[in-house]
Amino acid sequence: QQQVKQSPQSLIVQKGGISIINCAYENTAFDYFPWYQQFPGKGPALLIAIRPDVSEKKEGRFTISFNKSAKQFSLHIMDSQPGDSATYFCAAFGSGSARQLTFGSGTQLTVLP
Amino acid sequence: KAGVTQTPRYLIKTRGQQVTLSCSPISGHRSVSWYQQTPGQGLQFLFEYFSETQRNKGNFPGRFSGRQFSNSRSEMNVSTLELGDSALYLCASSQRTGTPYEQYFGPGTRLTVT
Repeated sequence: QQQVKQSPQSLIVQKGGISIINCAYENTAFDYFPWYQQFPGKGPALLIAIRPDVSEKKEGRFTISFNKSAKQFSLHIMDSQPGDSATYFCAAFGSGSARQLTFGSGTQLTVLP
Repeated sequence: KAGVTQTPRYLIKTRGQQVTLSCSPISGHRSVSWYQQTPGQGLQFLFEYFSETQRNKGNFPGRFSGRQFSNSRSEMNVSTLELGDSALYLCASSQRTGTPYEQYFGPGTRLTVT
């Protein structure tokens, strides 16, 4: 019940295109859903996060869409740039035994110039 | 503000040895969590420390332990190292009040066990 499932495993997008990464969870104790971006040799960096009381959050070119009833959330990267090439992790955080970041398996994004 | 710092950045140890990793959180952050990252298992939660007390623990054997000092700095120890302990060990700090869920990661310590 602690799992967060992420897809796709890898994604190749042309510069200027839209990158979409999807995640699904099962544990209803989760109440905070962040996305992290990780470059090789670096730690994950917090990108954007959402709570389940809103269906969408936008920060610059990055948007999270959240569907509470389906227990799914997704990251959209608009106007993707080569500098966005990195591994993206979705995560979930909650209360009690879920009070820890539970990560998806990661998506390796490559944006072609 | 300075970010989360971890030392050392790289370590090579032999099977059976023990190792201690260090993490200094962002100034003002009192919670430190540790994660293990491997290609096979991904990012997995080890434990969280807040006010020098372990608050939560992941599903790892007792060979993995930690502690936190009064200045919020934290150390993680792995005893009797196994080949499978080779991983990137990440620590993350947060305030645990206000916006407690925002966790900020350090660059990690790359541990290689031979």
